[in-house]
Amino acid sequence: AQTVTQSQPEMSVQEAETVTLSCTYDTSESDYYLFWYKQPPSRQMILVIRQEAYKQQNATENRFSVNFQKAAKSFSLKISDSQLGDAAMYFCAYRSGGTYKYIFGTGTRLKVLA
Amino acid sequence: DVKVTQSSRYLVKRTGEKVFLECVQDMDHENMFWYRQDPGLGLRLIYFSYDVKMKEKGDIPEGYSVSREKKERFSLILESASTNQTSMYLCASRLTGTAGSGKLFFGSGTQLSVL
Repeated sequence: AQTVTQSQPEMSVQEAETVTLSCTYDTSESDYYLFWYKQPPSRQMILVIRQEAYKQQNATENRFSVNFQKAAKSFSLKISDSQLGDAAMYFCAYRSGGTYKYIFGTGTRLKVLA
Repeated sequence: DVKVTQSSRYLVKRTGEKVFLECVQDMDHENMFWYRQDPGLGLRLIYFSYDVKMKEKGDIPEGYSVSREKKERFSLILESASTNQTSMYLCASRLTGTAGSGKLFFGSGTQLSVL
């Protein structure tokens, strides 16, 4: 069975600094997708970034980028120039291609210090 | 952008009550989901609906049922609420196919307390 592990329950970063959130997963599939979702205090989760397993190039979205290491089954999220609005719970998620089921990690709470 | 609306932000119920959690999406998405979010456990899938009147059990369906009579509405039902169902409930929807890109759209959650 596929699993997603986020080993950092909580992280802190100074405003304007860079922080990396870790995520590892376990799967025997070759076709899958990985996601990072953000859940701010408003509770509404939003997609931060998405990576297809078949793509070697790491996905980027403005200040957010991933380090996708397929062989190591690692999918970390880097947030550059951290802003106060980045403070949230971040969830890593996995989905096998052709299925509906998303598997979420336990989340990392990110605090941004002014 | 897609809007997923959950009928209640906070709900307090008594043990044994029948509880209805409603979710409505406005973008004609085929797939809808109900998740439960608990600290340290992440999100766990309760039920999934891939289209109207179609449903599949997720990882933790015990004590829950669902209804999807119309495409835009997906209801989660707690037949007889128990204290261990105190939790945050999140509804999500998704457009299938490549146009959907696998992106889930979430509601703002319902924090349910069962006393």
